[in-house]
Amino acid sequence: ELKVEQNPLFLSMQEGKNYTIYCNYSTTSDRLYWYRQDPGKSLESLFVLLSNGAVKQEGRLMASLDTKARLSTLHITAAVHDLSATYFCAVDIDAGGTSYGKLTFGQGTILTVHP
Amino acid sequence: GAVVSQHPSWVICKSGTSVKIECRSLDFQATTMFWYRQFPKQSLMLMATSNEGSKATYEQGVEKDKFLINHASLTLSTLTVTSAHPEDSSFYICSAREFVQPQHFGDGTRLSIL
Repeated sequence: ELKVEQNPLFLSMQEGKNYTIYCNYSTTSDRLYWYRQDPGKSLESLFVLLSNGAVKQEGRLMASLDTKARLSTLHITAAVHDLSATYFCAVDIDAGGTSYGKLTFGQGTILTVHP
Repeated sequence: GAVVSQHPSWVICKSGTSVKIECRSLDFQATTMFWYRQFPKQSLMLMATSNEGSKATYEQGVEKDKFLINHASLTLSTLTVTSAHPEDSSFYICSAREFVQPQHFGDGTRLSIL
């Protein structure tokens, strides 16, 4: 059974600071996704990581993937209040048939950025 | 970009009634659709996967007679919560994908059963 673990689960940080959220998963995967969820809202896609060593950046967020270590990171640079949200990683297993495309989500990291 | 429309966004109904939630792909063919459930402060849990024209595949522990899923066309899937009870209250999110493309998520439906 695939397990996806995020840490930390809760993160309170000051504006202007940097931090990294980690996503570990337990089996080989083709794709890893990062999503943002605001309270009461659905998921917003942030990054799709498709290969070992992939690095993507958008604004103050940068995501990377190490498939050998089964680890992805979401790095926050110079945090601002608008980044406050819950962040999920999700792993997609290429198992073929009806399992293909199923996402297993991490527990989520609740991020609060304060002045 | 790919858009998935989910309707309704919020529904409140009495215990014992059935509730239908629609999920539509607006500008692509949804060969596969997924239904998720999310409780407050928790992650998304996959309930079922449906391929167009086929019966849905339910995850372990999800009652298929309770949560009826229909995916009769390439743009529409429906989830019907039958004889809903307060413990079925949750945030339900659908997603859709075209073949091997990434999933696109609907805006979610907040279901409250009194």
